[in-house]
Amino acid sequence: DVKVTQSSRYLVKRTGEKVFLECVQDMDHENMFWYRQDPGLGLRLIYFSYDVKMKEKGDIPEGYSVSREKKERFSLILESASTNQTSMYLCASSPTAGTLTYEQYFGPGTRLTVT
Amino acid sequence: AQKVTQAQTEISVVEKEDVTLDCVYETRDTTYYLFWYKQPPSGELVFLIRRNSFDEQNEISGRYSWNFQKSTSSFNFTITASQVVDSAVYFCALSGINAGNMLTFGGGTRLMVKP
Repeated sequence: DVKVTQSSRYLVKRTGEKVFLECVQDMDHENMFWYRQDPGLGLRLIYFSYDVKMKEKGDIPEGYSVSREKKERFSLILESASTNQTSMYLCASSPTAGTLTYEQYFGPGTRLTVT
Repeated sequence: AQKVTQAQTEISVVEKEDVTLDCVYETRDTTYYLFWYKQPPSGELVFLIRRNSFDEQNEISGRYSWNFQKSTSSFNFTITASQVVDSAVYFCALSGINAGNMLTFGGGTRLMVKP
């Protein structure tokens, strides 16, 4: 079974703090994703990585950065956390096979509260 | 641009009733993939089904069935004889061939099945 793990289930940070959310997958997937989930808005893509050290902006990248130094690990960084970044953050991974799009496998999520 | 609309934000049914969750999508790609995910109260998204745009056959898996209609750009999901364990948020998602493995999610439908 594919396993995607996230470093914390719940996190409380103060405004202005630098926040790191870590995600690890164990299936050697090329693609990794970070989403945020807010009520009524579904999941919105923040950043996407299709290979080590490669990244692409998603729909809402402002206020976030990412790092992928190893294939299995994809980190989301909030440089200076703000209250409007309070949300559920979900990490996902998927394999690549030419132009086919495969299902993404999700981690359990990190509920971040910024006070 | 891609868009997925799940017009039903919340549905409440009594156990053993049948329920259909609607999904309407927009894409300019002629080749695309459609997905359904389930998010139970634990928070982790669970993959249910992936269909490509060339396969319009309906699919049945136990109590679950999916109706893909290209003519109306819809990919609806029906649960037959619903059970309390079906209570969750359900997301429909789309990935066009030019989207590079990125999914666009609908806003989700919260299904509550009462005993």
